[in-house]
Amino acid sequence: EAAVTQSPRNKVAVTGGKVTLSCNQTNNHNNMYWYRQDTGHGLRLIHYSYGAGSTEKGDIPDGYKASRPSQENFSLILELATPSQTSVYFCASGDWGNEQYFGPGTRLTVL
Amino acid sequence: QQQVRQSPQSLTVWEGETAILNCSYEDSTFDYFPWYRLFPGESPALLIAIRPVSNKKEDGRFTIFFNKREKKLSLHITDSQPGDSATYFCAARGNAGAKLTFGGGTRLTVRP
Repeated sequence: EAAVTQSPRNKVAVTGGKVTLSCNQTNNHNNMYWYRQDTGHGLRLIHYSYGAGSTEKGDIPDGYKASRPSQENFSLILELATPSQTSVYFCASGDWGNEQYFGPGTRLTVL
Repeated sequence: QQQVRQSPQSLTVWEGETAILNCSYEDSTFDYFPWYRLFPGESPALLIAIRPVSNKKEDGRFTIFFNKREKKLSLHITDSQPGDSATYFCAARGNAGAKLTFGGGTRLTVRP
């Protein structure tokens, strides 16, 4: 069974604060992804990675950084959080041509 | 410009009816079209997928119809059940990369 975990599951942050969302996968997949999900916008890709040490910009990277220190871990960093970044964030892992496996999501509220 | 569009945004059907969810895309290089389903409070999960070599893919009550010329596809859910109530996302992947582009989703409600 594919396994992707995320922490924290819920987070309340203040405007201007730094937020780090963490993702871990035990699937040994090369590729990992960060999405945000907002009603009417579907799942939008923020950053992704092809392997340890690599990060690529997705479709909406502004205001976000990513870090892939190992095959298993992929973090999303909001250096200066804003209320517009209030959303549900999903991490996923997958390999070329195969399905993506999603984590349980992190609900982030920026006040 | 949205590369993958879905309609309707929201759909309600009665139990036993066929639900039809529509999807269209812009990029003719897209070569893989998965549909993901998201139940409230859970994770998106792959439901069914199709490649342009086929114009139809069936899995139980779920069928994808694909029209390459018009760049359109649809997901048909026959004999809809209340347990099918969820948000359905159409996605597309280009043959040069690993990333998926998702549509805005259709929120399906099946009334008993």
